[in-house]
Amino acid sequence: AQSVAQPEDQVNVAEGNPLTVKCTYSVSGNPYLFWYVQYPNRGLQFLLKYITGDNLVKGSYGFEAEFNKSQTSFHLKKPSALVSDSALYFCAVITGGSYIPTFGRGTSLIVHP
Amino acid sequence: NAGVTQTPKFQVLKTGQSMTLQCAQDMNHEYMSWYRQDPGMGLRLIHYSVGAGITDQGEVPNGYNVSRSTTEDFPLRLLSAAPSQTSVYFCASTHRPAQSNSPLHFGNGTRLTVT
Repeated sequence: AQSVAQPEDQVNVAEGNPLTVKCTYSVSGNPYLFWYVQYPNRGLQFLLKYITGDNLVKGSYGFEAEFNKSQTSFHLKKPSALVSDSALYFCAVITGGSYIPTFGRGTSLIVHP
Repeated sequence: NAGVTQTPKFQVLKTGQSMTLQCAQDMNHEYMSWYRQDPGMGLRLIHYSVGAGITDQGEVPNGYNVSRSTTEDFPLRLLSAAPSQTSVYFCASTHRPAQSNSPLHFGNGTRLTVT
């Protein structure tokens, strides 16, 4: 079985400050981890993924995520937030050989000017 | 490159009516799926397909049917609409299901209201 938790429904940050959106997971086996972003009235867009290798993964729009196996976490980060980063963010996990990813419930990121 | 195309974008149905939500992708993806998104519930998988002629149920399949006669198309049918089916529906696809590290590509959604 696989599961994902995004413990914060909403994250508020001031423009220019660093941001973190949290994600923890539970799987049996090695995880493949993903972050997606959803802007209003749009579908989800892929941001980045962790498959293997370097624990720090860089993705689109200046986002990065750190895989921590011991803490079973995959937190999304950005050094300097933009108002345009305001959106809904989803973490997802899948194990090798599975067809179906498990999504977290999403975290609403609000960046204040 | 159109990606994943969903039609219609908006739909209002009366209880008991039927309709089909269309989904087409032009990326030759074998895996296609339907999700519904409701406030506070995240994404819930309705049905999925790993190739033409193959479909399977997801987490919330009741009240919905699917078919996959071609690689490109994966329509979702509501047999008898109910207010509980008011939601935003997303179609998603990806390459070769055995490569589960491939990200999903999502359409822009169909917003359905059942009155």
